[in-house]
Amino acid sequence: LAKTTQPISMDSYEGQEVNITCSHNNIATNDYITWYQQFPSQGPRFIIQGYKTKVTNEVASLFIPADRKSSTLSLPRVSLSDTAVYYCLVGDANQGGKLIFGQGTELSVKP
Amino acid sequence: DAGVIQSPRHEVTEMGQEVTLRCKPISGHDYLFWYRQTMMRGLELLIYFNNNVPIDDSGMPEDRFSAKMPNASFSTLKIQPSEPRDSAVYFCASTLLQGTDTQYFGPGTRLTVL
Repeated sequence: LAKTTQPISMDSYEGQEVNITCSHNNIATNDYITWYQQFPSQGPRFIIQGYKTKVTNEVASLFIPADRKSSTLSLPRVSLSDTAVYYCLVGDANQGGKLIFGQGTELSVKP
Repeated sequence: DAGVIQSPRHEVTEMGQEVTLRCKPISGHDYLFWYRQTMMRGLELLIYFNNNVPIDDSGMPEDRFSAKMPNASFSTLKIQPSEPRDSAVYFCASTLLQGTDTQYFGPGTRLTVL
């Protein structure tokens, strides 16, 4: 399974755009890139998933360059409620659902 | 759907006691996962099932840990005997399809072993 590397922590202010980059140099052809969000005392929650280029949903955007060795989660206009830990995961569609969570990025949004 | 249900939400026990954690996955989901989360080790996958059959238990820390899934709507994670280092939050998650499908996590069980 491909290993991911992301910043341990980030700080931001309300209303700003936050970009969290994840490195996955050993990503394989069958791997998808998935981001989860975890609030304190809760289980992780799916945010967004992509294979290449750009994916956007109502919560975030995911940018994946052509070589797929990194990805960037973009949160537009964050609020205090976006304070959470964000996990980048790389998973093989043929590996039966097994996902490995890394250390995550602890995002702190300040007023 | 009520989502993934876990019980109990909190468990405090003494070293050496048996602990049983319970999980009810989302109806119709074929995959069930057990995770453990600690400050030191983060979120670790312990074991997962497909159609009630254990597929990968390589994350189970030792023989004191066991997991079962007797039917599609129920799974247990048992620790016997428990030790203080087992203190953690244990999450159960389920998903409909294999591979990259979204995993839905339960609220977790916070276990404290004294």
